[in-house]
Amino acid sequence: EDQVTQSPEALRLQEGESSSLNCSYTVSGLRGLFWYRQDPGKGPEFLFTLYSAGEEKEKERLKATLTKKESFLHITAPKPEDSATYLCAVRGYGNKLVFGAGTILRVKS
Amino acid sequence: EPEVTQTPSHQVTQMGQEVILRCVPISNHLYFYWYRQILGQKVEFLVSFYNNEISEKSEIFDDQFSVERPDGSNFTLKIRSTKLEDSAMYFCASRNQVGQFFGPGTRLTVL
Repeated sequence: EDQVTQSPEALRLQEGESSSLNCSYTVSGLRGLFWYRQDPGKGPEFLFTLYSAGEEKEKERLKATLTKKESFLHITAPKPEDSATYLCAVRGYGNKLVFGAGTILRVKS
Repeated sequence: EPEVTQTPSHQVTQMGQEVILRCVPISNHLYFYWYRQILGQKVEFLVSFYNNEISEKSEIFDDQFSVERPDGSNFTLKIRSTKLEDSAMYFCASRNQVGQFFGPGTRLTVL
């Protein structure tokens, strides 16, 4: 059974304090690892798709990396508007995404 | 930028009533999905739909649930007889080669 574990559950940062979120996964035949941002009461907002170990993607202050067992979402010099829940999901054989529980990020000015 | 849209944003119903949740996927996407998220829990897969048929479904998606693409733009999720435990946010998603894109959700409250 495909599984995704995210850590930490919650993270508080000062504005400008860089950090990383972790996503560990087990999946039969990885066909994509996905990062989403979710604001309260809203739908997941697509950020990145990673397909193979060693791949990296960047968008503004966010950078996602992938190994054979885990992915990291690095946040460089975060701002208060980066506060959200960050979700990791994997797609194995089939079409569905299996999500982790998310990391709640709070950035204080 | 194209987006997935969902209506209504909030639906309140009585236990045992039927509800239909509506979605308009992104126009050139071919795969459509429903997920749900119970308050404070993970996003859970319900069903995927391709070429006018269900391609995969979860254990949650029992006989009380059905999906339909009644025309070229809408994609619906029907719950025949709602239960208290069906209260959740329901998200529609559609997929292209880049990833799955989610709508804003419908909050379903079953009283």
